[in-house]
Amino acid sequence: IAGITQAPTSQILAAGRRMTLRCTQDMRHNAMYWYRQDLGLGLRLIHYSNTAGTTGKGEVPDGYSVSRANTDDFPLTLASAVPSQTSVYFCASSDSTRGSVNEQFFGPGTRLTVL
Amino acid sequence: GQNIDQPTEMTATEGAIVQINCTYQTSGFNGLFWYQQHAGEAPTFLSYNVLDGLEEKGRFSSFLSRSKGYSYLLLKELQMKDSASYLCAVMDSNYQLIWGAGTKLIIKP
Repeated sequence: IAGITQAPTSQILAAGRRMTLRCTQDMRHNAMYWYRQDLGLGLRLIHYSNTAGTTGKGEVPDGYSVSRANTDDFPLTLASAVPSQTSVYFCASSDSTRGSVNEQFFGPGTRLTVL
Repeated sequence: GQNIDQPTEMTATEGAIVQINCTYQTSGFNGLFWYQQHAGEAPTFLSYNVLDGLEEKGRFSSFLSRSKGYSYLLLKELQMKDSASYLCAVMDSNYQLIWGAGTKLIIKP
């Protein structure tokens, strides 16, 4: 593994189904993020984690949950998918702490369609 | 509220220079980032400014004026591979990135 990987690459999902998007990084970054990207809008933060064992809500957290059991993995779960969750989802990580700013590195994205 | 504004689309000619502007209003400021995103791909980091002035990195330069809430990305000697979206993002007082919608840059031969 080099950098950040996401799985699946794309998925078509029936409304009401549960879905987990996977994200793994091998850079030992402390911080990880989930964004969604929709046409005409900027990246919007869903959830984040500043360090293993902690998570926080971003701008658009409703309908999503995350966990951070270890440094490398940060899965995003849609408990009951709805069509408005159709989007491209990006996972990112950074070696950042409060007072120390570093760039975020992005995974390749998951294209999710909810019908 | 927090807001990042940048033009939706710009067109330029191969070999020319283009300037992409970004204005922002955020709660706190811990730096401004520019990212490049090719269609269907992930964003990749281009530059970071936290102090006023110009940062030059090869063909790309980024400028910041904190008093004006303004930044620009300058791309010189444009190449066809520079056709992409350019995303401006500001790190706010909570160290979270607030993103603009991106500027789609079209390069014509």
